[in-house]
Amino acid sequence: EAQVTQNPRYLITVTGKKLTVTCSQNMNHEYMSWYRQDPGLGLRQIYYSMNVEVTDKGDVPEGYKVSRKEKRNFPLILESPSPNQTSLYFCASSLTGEKTQYFGPGTRLLVL
Amino acid sequence: AQSVTQPDIHITVSEGASLELRCNYSYGATPYLFWYVQSPGQGLQLLLKYFSGDTLVQGIKGFEAEFKRSQSSFNLRKPSVHWSDAAEYFCAVGAAGGFKTIFGAGTRLFVKA
Repeated sequence: EAQVTQNPRYLITVTGKKLTVTCSQNMNHEYMSWYRQDPGLGLRQIYYSMNVEVTDKGDVPEGYKVSRKEKRNFPLILESPSPNQTSLYFCASSLTGEKTQYFGPGTRLLVL
Repeated sequence: AQSVTQPDIHITVSEGASLELRCNYSYGATPYLFWYVQSPGQGLQLLLKYFSGDTLVQGIKGFEAEFKRSQSSFNLRKPSVHWSDAAEYFCAVGAAGGFKTIFGAGTRLFVKA
């Protein structure tokens, strides 16, 4: 089944404790992206990747890191999480020319 | 600045009634336009998209949208709403030659029995 998977789905952590949210897709998509969803703000793009080893900042990259060492994986790293990073996070992927994004189920993060 | 505006935070319609969700965008380049739906606790699913050509596009679940360049709008419509349509709807815009996507804040649809 074609899908985007994210792990974990739910995470509670404390300020300053490094964490990684994994994202994996099995559709051989070149493009992958991370968003955060906050009430009243919709989805805001954090980082995106056009292909392996090619990444760029979205609209809200501060406090986040990403890497794209393999085509199927695009982990989101929070080196020192803060409470304002409490949010619902979505990973998405697409074929570059197609531009229709396929979304993962979301990761709900709470930073205390 | 690039932006997407969904003027209605929430809308309530009766089952069987028609629906129109508004979306206005500001984008310098030729836009690609999308509508996504998010059911409670779920990820986003594409309803329809406009890249070029016919300005009236058909999507899944009986939805359609019309691109009006002169009004910078891409409103979503459905002639008869079903209770299962209750969800949050997001309009999004991307550049034809780019990789960034901007989403609106969303419109939550409630359906009355």
